[in-house]
Amino acid sequence: DAGITQSPRHKVTETGTPVTLRCHQTENHRYMYWYRQDPGHGLRLIHYSYGVKDTDKGEVSDGYSVSRSKTEDFLLTLESATSSQTSVYFCAISGRQGVSSYEQYFGPGTRLTVT
Amino acid sequence: AQSVSQHNHHVILSEAASLELGCNYSYGGTVNLFWYVQYPGQHLQLLLKYFSGDPLVKGIKGFEAEFIKSKFSFNLRKPSVQWSDTAEYFCAVNEPSGYALNFGKGTSLLVTP
Repeated sequence: DAGITQSPRHKVTETGTPVTLRCHQTENHRYMYWYRQDPGHGLRLIHYSYGVKDTDKGEVSDGYSVSRSKTEDFLLTLESATSSQTSVYFCAISGRQGVSSYEQYFGPGTRLTVT
Repeated sequence: AQSVSQHNHHVILSEAASLELGCNYSYGGTVNLFWYVQYPGQHLQLLLKYFSGDPLVKGIKGFEAEFIKSKFSFNLRKPSVQWSDTAEYFCAVNEPSGYALNFGKGTSLLVTP
């Protein structure tokens, strides 16, 4: 267990509403990532963070924003949810002292349904 | 951006059969390579990794993978699968210049008793 949790684990929301997903880690990893998993697409990177207040876009960042105000938490926000954002969202972490920064550990996932 | 290809999308094997899942990547420079496994309803777990050195790497649960640089491949193998190996398997690659991972689309493995 890499000390990573996600909340909520399941959410159903309506099109057009804002949604925030939270990733929380307890082992002081420097890097945090948000991926989405869709059938036939594997996992695709949405955004990542390389430190507090330092974030960058991934492959599928349109419609998503992120924030990291402290080391432990990385928030993913859908400003106005659309049905195409129905997916399973995974948070990942890497960069704890003594472990390669390339080695990522994944959270349990959040299943988001946008109706 | 580099791409990662997994050739087999669905594989069905009987218990005790041997497994080989293919993975190829497009980037020609130095890479780090990973195989992750996702059991039904669970999160991704690291099976094994290659950074440098011996191109044959051993991971957890009897899995191994071979890095063949000339073929841009990192194939996953297991000599004898078990029913409990039923899962989805993902190959992933990152470049030393960045820490994000590029994933293949996954291979769904079903092992029948």
